[in-house]
Amino acid sequence: QKEVEQNSGPLSVPEGAIASLNCTYSDRVSQSFFWYRQYSGKSPELIMSIYSNGDKEDGRFTAQLNKASQYVSLLIRDSQPSDSATYLCAVIYSGYSTLTFGKGTMLLVSP
Amino acid sequence: DVKVTQSSRYLVKRTGEKVFLECVQDMDHENMFWYRQDPGLGLRLIYFSYDVKMKEKGDIPEGYSVSREKKERFSLILESASTNQTSMYLCASSLGGGAFFGQGTRLTVV
Repeated sequence: QKEVEQNSGPLSVPEGAIASLNCTYSDRVSQSFFWYRQYSGKSPELIMSIYSNGDKEDGRFTAQLNKASQYVSLLIRDSQPSDSATYLCAVIYSGYSTLTFGKGTMLLVSP
Repeated sequence: DVKVTQSSRYLVKRTGEKVFLECVQDMDHENMFWYRQDPGLGLRLIYFSYDVKMKEKGDIPEGYSVSREKKERFSLILESASTNQTSMYLCASSLGGGAFFGQGTRLTVV
């Protein structure tokens, strides 16, 4: 069964804090993982991709992948009110070629 | 930058109408997708295509069909629109990794 689980939130953090968003998936052999940001009323925007265990950093964003534990996370450092959005985790499961999305975690960053 | 363009931002159609949603991408991507997004249900895949004239059913294909006559264009067709097809429709394209989305079409069927 292809599943991607995320806490729906909202996750509330103060401006300047680190926001930590988590996602679990349901097999150990999948290779491709993605984070999308979606502002209210807008379409999802691809912000990070990660394919191997460990951390991948891009500006204030860090994606972390642990295949043994089947989770992927997104850290946002120095959170800004403009980061307030829903963050979607997506996985390309082994043997498939389409993205399976979680339902997203709403992040609220307060000034 | 990848650009995926959907023909309409907002559409209002009547029950029973045949509805066409058009999507064009400018990055020569082989893969194109149609999703719908509903509150509480997340993104659900309707149909996808790996190549011109190829199509594959996604998770919720009932009541929909698709057409891909050219590589850059992928159309979603609601054969006979119903009120339960009121939703946000999102087109996306990819080379095989992360997909890039169009701006979405909010369809209301009355």
